[in-house]
Amino acid sequence: GESVGLHLPTLSVQEGDNSIINCAYSNSASDYFIWYKQESGKGPQFIIDIRSNMDKRQGQRVTVLLNKTVKHLSLQIAATQPGDSAVYFCAEINAGGTSYGKLTFGQGTILTVHP
Amino acid sequence: DAEITQSPRHKITETGRQVTLACHQTWNHNNMFWYRQDLGHGLRLIHYSYGVQDTNKGEVSDGYSVSRSNTEDLPLTLESAASSQTSVYFCASSLGTGELFFGEGSRLTVL
Repeated sequence: GESVGLHLPTLSVQEGDNSIINCAYSNSASDYFIWYKQESGKGPQFIIDIRSNMDKRQGQRVTVLLNKTVKHLSLQIAATQPGDSAVYFCAEINAGGTSYGKLTFGQGTILTVHP
Repeated sequence: DAEITQSPRHKITETGRQVTLACHQTWNHNNMFWYRQDLGHGLRLIHYSYGVQDTNKGEVSDGYSVSRSNTEDLPLTLESAASSQTSVYFCASSLGTGELFFGEGSRLTVL
């Protein structure tokens, strides 16, 4: 999951395993959540998003789960591949408020996939 | 293909100098953002713009300024660079949803 401090959470998995990356968000007013992937030396890339009126959304090999009761978000990656190795960020926004387009990012989780 | 580009990708400067980082996008997005990324702090918003002639301060705007004279560009200026501004800077653009399109980043070192 996300944490504050100098050391990012890490997750190491074997190729082919499923990965679960967790994120705790802070703002109860947030109604739109996004997962980004950042490979070394590159900018973050959009993976998948979910609105607060949903609790699950699936993409290609990825699933995002949202639990608003405990303000928790997770990203599940099926059949993890070495190319999935990256830092994963969750981001939140109150899309209906004045924060139009302004995301608040979590600290990130480092995913390492071993062949 | 539409894209967003940042320059320079790497810059070393001295304390007190003025530095400008360029950001150019060809998606015709109205919204543009500058973030800095530091270990332990994630991505923090510096400045943002919702359109030409519009600029707004983010959470860590002190010591930075931006201008938006056209849709494509949002240059970030450090008026008098400080060592605390050593960081990796990311520009991003969006249509208005939370899906931001990021540049490749500009690594700035202030000695």
